[in-house]
Amino acid sequence: QKEVEQNSGPLSVPEGAIASLNCTYSDRVSQSFFWYRQYSGKSPELIMSIYSNGDKEDGRFTAQLNKASQYVSLLIRDSQPSDSATYLCAVFTGAGSYQLTFGKGTKLSVIP
Amino acid sequence: DVKVTQSSRYLVKRTGEKVFLECVQDMDHENMFWYRQDPGLGLRLIYFSYDVKMKEKGDIPEGYSVSREKKERFSLILESASTNQTSMYLCASSPRTSREQFFGPGTRLTVL
Repeated sequence: QKEVEQNSGPLSVPEGAIASLNCTYSDRVSQSFFWYRQYSGKSPELIMSIYSNGDKEDGRFTAQLNKASQYVSLLIRDSQPSDSATYLCAVFTGAGSYQLTFGKGTKLSVIP
Repeated sequence: DVKVTQSSRYLVKRTGEKVFLECVQDMDHENMFWYRQDPGLGLRLIYFSYDVKMKEKGDIPEGYSVSREKKERFSLILESASTNQTSMYLCASSPRTSREQFFGPGTRLTVL
């Protein structure tokens, strides 16, 4: 059973701080990793993809991947109230599958 | 930009009715997916399709069927709606060369 685990939160950070969201996965052959942002009542929106170990930066967002530890994280620098949302981690294992396995999400609240 | 559209944002049906949810994508993606999302349960895959007329069961296919007669359109059918199918239904698509999935706006279905 492939599993993707996230702390459900809520994670509260003050405006301007760094928010750190974490995700662990169970399948060692996982190949691709994605972060989605979902505002309340809306659908998930893809914000980051990462495929190899290390860091990937896009604006205020940094995704970090450590395949040996089966761990992927998302850092949000200079957090804004508009970043308040649920963040979903998704993992693709390959091996002939077309499916992503999603975590249940971490709810982030940025306090002004 | 990838655009995935769903036929309705909100839908109210009665128990026993046959329900059709339509999804259309305009990016010539090979893969299309239907999920439902419920509080505390996260995103659960119902069915997916990797080509026209092809379909594969996801994690919770019971009570649902799908149809993909054209590449751009993927329909979810509730043969006889039940109250436990009240949920947010999300359609997504992805190209064959990438596992990044792009979501439609969702349909919030209520079965009375």
